[in-house]
Amino acid sequence: AQSVTQPDIHITVSEGASLELRCNYSYGATPYLFWYVQSPGQGLQLLLKYFSGDTLVQGIKGFEAEFKRSQSSFNLRKPSVHWSDAAEYFCAVVDPYNAGNMLTFGGGTRLMVKP
Amino acid sequence: SQTIHQWPATLVQPVGSPLSLECTVEGTSNPNLYWYRQAAGRGLQLLFYSVGIGQISSEVPQNLSASRPQDRQFILSSKKLLLSDSGFYLCAWSGIAGEYEQYFGPGTRLTVT
Repeated sequence: AQSVTQPDIHITVSEGASLELRCNYSYGATPYLFWYVQSPGQGLQLLLKYFSGDTLVQGIKGFEAEFKRSQSSFNLRKPSVHWSDAAEYFCAVVDPYNAGNMLTFGGGTRLMVKP
Repeated sequence: SQTIHQWPATLVQPVGSPLSLECTVEGTSNPNLYWYRQAAGRGLQLLFYSVGIGQISSEVPQNLSASRPQDRQFILSSKKLLLSDSGFYLCAWSGIAGEYEQYFGPGTRLTVT
């Protein structure tokens, strides 16, 4: 079965600084990968996804992520963080051969932004 | 475009009372539907998913149940709530035929007292 690990439970960065959130997955084949963001008391919003092709994918809100098969990673990056980016971020993988298309989520990383 | 609705947005219920949370999706047909729960400070736990009307799969045994009476309606129920049922409940949908991402509703905050 697939699994997703987000090693950092909390991260604090200063506004304007760069950001990298780590995600490692375990899956037997080429994974389909996602990053979601959740603001407090809200649902999850899809930031970006990787299915195949270019390993550097661009998403909304200035985020990007890079798929590295050799490291089983799909890290999320942003060159300059804004205070509004403070939220919880979830990495997820789907098994496309599962009838329900169920996502397996990591435990999440809570991002705090210092002024 | 597709939209997903959940209601109520917040709910406070006493222990032992029944529960009914509703989720509806607009702008798509025959979606896969999902119920998740987030306990305070925890990640997402998949509770149920459905690939069609009347088809429900349970991921975690508990005192909750789900039903899908119509193509785009998904209901989460309980006959008797427990304190441990408190949490943030999220409904999500996904398309079929190569669309794997899920789209989430705004959630329902349930507090069992």
